[in-house]
Amino acid sequence: EPEVTQTPSHQVTQMGQEVILRCVPISNHLYFYWYRQILGQKVEFLVSFYNNEISEKSEIFDDQFSVERPDGSNFTLKIRSTKLEDSAMYFCASLGAHWGPDTQYFGPGTRLTVL
Amino acid sequence: QKEVEQNSGPLSVPEGAIASLNCTYSDRGSQSFFWYRQYSGKSPELIMFIYSNGDKEDGRFTAQLNKASQYVSLLIRDSQPSDSATYLCAVNMGWNAGNMLTFGGGTRLMVKP
Repeated sequence: EPEVTQTPSHQVTQMGQEVILRCVPISNHLYFYWYRQILGQKVEFLVSFYNNEISEKSEIFDDQFSVERPDGSNFTLKIRSTKLEDSAMYFCASLGAHWGPDTQYFGPGTRLTVL
Repeated sequence: QKEVEQNSGPLSVPEGAIASLNCTYSDRGSQSFFWYRQYSGKSPELIMFIYSNGDKEDGRFTAQLNKASQYVSLLIRDSQPSDSATYLCAVNMGWNAGNMLTFGGGTRLMVKP
């Protein structure tokens, strides 16, 4: 069964450093998402991406964040200068075609620890 | 501010019993509703979705939607210890809103053998 994959599973970084989290969505999906979950808190929407551009973003997704689909398979989330409060699980999700069910499938997540 | 509310629990049920999980949402424009299961330290795993008022059954799971009351529920029949997890309710505003999901805080379910 197709699945969303994410790398790395755990990333440890120093405050102020740049990190790139990587995702490979399900191959025929067209819509891509990043969510985050701070330990013990809700899953929060960050950004949605379609047709090589951001379609929606939350207040969390400020200028420190960017997303990119550099090739036909990867979808990345970059945090330019990490802060302690960026420590969280980051989940990538993908969704199929516009005419299909609007069901998002989540990857296993990347645990980001900012020291 | 779109809100999705769930009782955090824990909800404790004996093995074989019915577990009933509830969720309310604030935005009447919400179009589709999802239940995800999340084990500790893992990602959300889709259980089922519902679009229309009424009940939808899938195996041991039944989702119920009442748009007038802005209420979604999940029933788990014949609960098993392996069902012990946090259950997340998520609401989708639809394609025009980028299909972003708004999640509730989750209800922790404990099924005791």
